[in-house]
Amino acid sequence: DGGITQSPKYLFRKEGQNVTLSCEQNLNHDAMYWYRQDPGQGLRLIYYSQIVNDFQKGDIAEGYSVSREKKESFPLTVTSAQKNPTAFYLCASSGNRGIYSNQPQHFGDGTRLSIL
Amino acid sequence: AQKITQTQPGMFVQEKEAVTLDCTYDTSDQSYGLFWYKQPSSGEMIFLIYQGSYDEQNATEGRYSLNFQKARKSANLVISASQLGDSAMYFCAMREGGNTGRRALTFGSGTRLQVQP
Repeated sequence: DGGITQSPKYLFRKEGQNVTLSCEQNLNHDAMYWYRQDPGQGLRLIYYSQIVNDFQKGDIAEGYSVSREKKESFPLTVTSAQKNPTAFYLCASSGNRGIYSNQPQHFGDGTRLSIL
Repeated sequence: AQKITQTQPGMFVQEKEAVTLDCTYDTSDQSYGLFWYKQPSSGEMIFLIYQGSYDEQNATEGRYSLNFQKARKSANLVISASQLGDSAMYFCAMREGGNTGRRALTFGSGTRLQVQP
C-alpha cells in the first residue's frame, strides 16, 4: 500500500550528538514536510521541499537540517545546536496540483525523540 | 501572518450526540484551504475534511461536516452521532494561498475530545 514510512519510531539522543530521522514515501508526491509537535500542542513547520534538490526553512528551522536528493526521501537531521529536541516529529507529503487543490497532506506515524 | 485559533482545549460529549469543535482563522489571502485532522493517542494524523475558501457549500464527509462562515473567518467541525472511537485530539489547519509556493499547513493548538458512554 502507498504511504509514508518514518523510522525509527523512538530515538534517543546524547548531548552533542546529531541524529537523523528517516522519512520515505511511495505516493509519488512532489512536496514533503517536517513538523514538530510538543506535548499538548499543535504542529509547527520545520522544513519543507516542493521538489527534488530544493528545500526551504519553515518556522522553526534553527538546529535542524534536511536534504532532498530523491523524490521519495526527505531525511531530517537534528543537530547538537537544537538545545531542546525532545518532541514528536511528523513527516508529511502532498501532491503539487496547485494551491487551490483539496489534496490533504498525508502523514507518517511519527518519531518520538528524547534526550538521554 | 496567518493564525489558527482553537479555543476549546477539551470537550466532552455523550455517545451518539453531536459535537461542534470551534476553529477561527486569520489570513489576508483570498485563496486558502481549511483542513481538519484527527490525532488518536497513537500519534498518527488522519485527514477528515477539507473546505476551500471559494467553496460555496459546506463540506461534508460521512459523519463530519464543516460549518464554514467566511465573513466570520470560522470553520467549525461538526461530528454527528459521536462514537467512542472519536475520542482523540482534533486539529484545524490552513494551507496558505498566494504565490509563495509554500503549501505547508499552519495548525491550531488542538481540541481534545472525549466521548463518554
